[in-house]
This record gives sequence, C-alpha cells and structure tokens, in this order.
Amino acid sequence: GENVEQHPSTLSVQEGDSAVIKCTYSDSASNYFPWYKQELGKRPQLIIDIRSNVGEKKDQRIAVTLNKTAKHFSLHITETQPEDSAVYFCAASFSTRFGNEKLTFGTGTRLTIIP
Amino acid sequence: DAMVIQNPRYQVTQFGKPVTLSCSQTLNHNVMYWYQQKSSQAPKLLFHYYDKDFNNEADTPDNFQSRRPNTSFCFLDIRSPGLGDAAMYLCATSREDFSSYNEQFFGPGTRLTVL
Repeated sequence: GENVEQHPSTLSVQEGDSAVIKCTYSDSASNYFPWYKQELGKRPQLIIDIRSNVGEKKDQRIAVTLNKTAKHFSLHITETQPEDSAVYFCAASFSTRFGNEKLTFGTGTRLTIIP
Repeated sequence: DAMVIQNPRYQVTQFGKPVTLSCSQTLNHNVMYWYQQKSSQAPKLLFHYYDKDFNNEADTPDNFQSRRPNTSFCFLDIRSPGLGDAAMYLCATSREDFSSYNEQFFGPGTRLTVL
C-alpha cells in the first residue's frame, strides 16, 4: 500500500542550529519526493524536491537526501532562522490504476526555531 | 499572475445542507486535485482529475463528489455535510505526462465550518 512515515512530529532547535526531518516510504517504484512548508492558515508551498535519479539536492540552506535502497529521504535545514518555524510535510509519488501518479503525504513535523 | 484560485475562502453550512466549493486555475495544468486537511494533519487526497479522467481514492466517502466541466475549473460537492467534514479543503494542480511527475501548486484553501 501507499504509506509515508515522517519523524519527528515536533522539533525545536536553537536559532542557527540545524534541523533534520526524516521520511520513509513503502513503494520502491516511487520516483518523486517533494517537501512542503505550511505556515499556520496558509497553503502548503514546495520548498525542495528530488527525483529518484539523484541522491542529494541542495538549495541554499535547504538540502534533501534520498536513499532509494533503504526507501528513506531526509530534509536538512542549516543555519535555522525564526522564519523557518512552520509545519513541514514530506511526500512520495505513487502510481494510480490509470498510470499517472499522485502524492501521499507524511504526517508532518512542527518545527519551532527558538530565538 | 498564473495561479490556483479557490472560492469561497470561508464557507459555513448547516449539518446536512449541500455545499459546493470551487477551484479555478490559470496555469493550464492538466491535473487537478482535491485534498481534505484537518487540523494538525496532513493533506488527504480525496480525488483527482487527469484531464477528464476521474480518479477516486478508495476511502473517499460517497458524500463527496467532484466535477470538472473544463480544464480551468473543478468543483467539490459535499452532498450532506456532517460535523466530521469540517476541515480545510485544498485544491492543487500539476502538469503531468507519463514521462515525468511535476510540482503540485496549491490554492489558498476553503475552510469549511459545519454547524
């Protein structure tokens, strides 16, 4: 079945420190793994994504790593800032019976940056 | 600006009174999704349209229906809302073909209250 597990559910880090959020997925055929940031009352916004043909991708302070063998991927935020406080969702793509793909989301991580 | 628009942003309905939520997009994306997001939970996919093909999730209640009259518009109909249907309803779009899976763009959501 389609399952994405995300840990931890809450995370507090001091401003300037790094934060790591981890996800595992169930379907070895999944090939697209986005991370969304959602602030209170707002829409989810894509912050970074990775496809199965690469192991790591970086965009300034944000990086994602993917281990296809172990079926897990992680979000790394370095030099955290107060504006990084939000809920972060990982997701993995799964094929539908029609041949196209859809996303299943992880349960979310509430990240709090302590000034 | 190209975007995903949802109307209304806030909807209040009575228990059992049908309600329709709307979504429109100027991105000319071929896939449109409806998600339900309850407080402190991940977005849960209800159904999606790949072009005109309707894809229903197995656990989406029959109480929820959807219509996509053209590429730009998609509607979510809740035939007999219950208290448990109170949630944020998110519309998203993506451009997809069978060779690649692409970012989903979310609308701002409609917050549904059931009295």
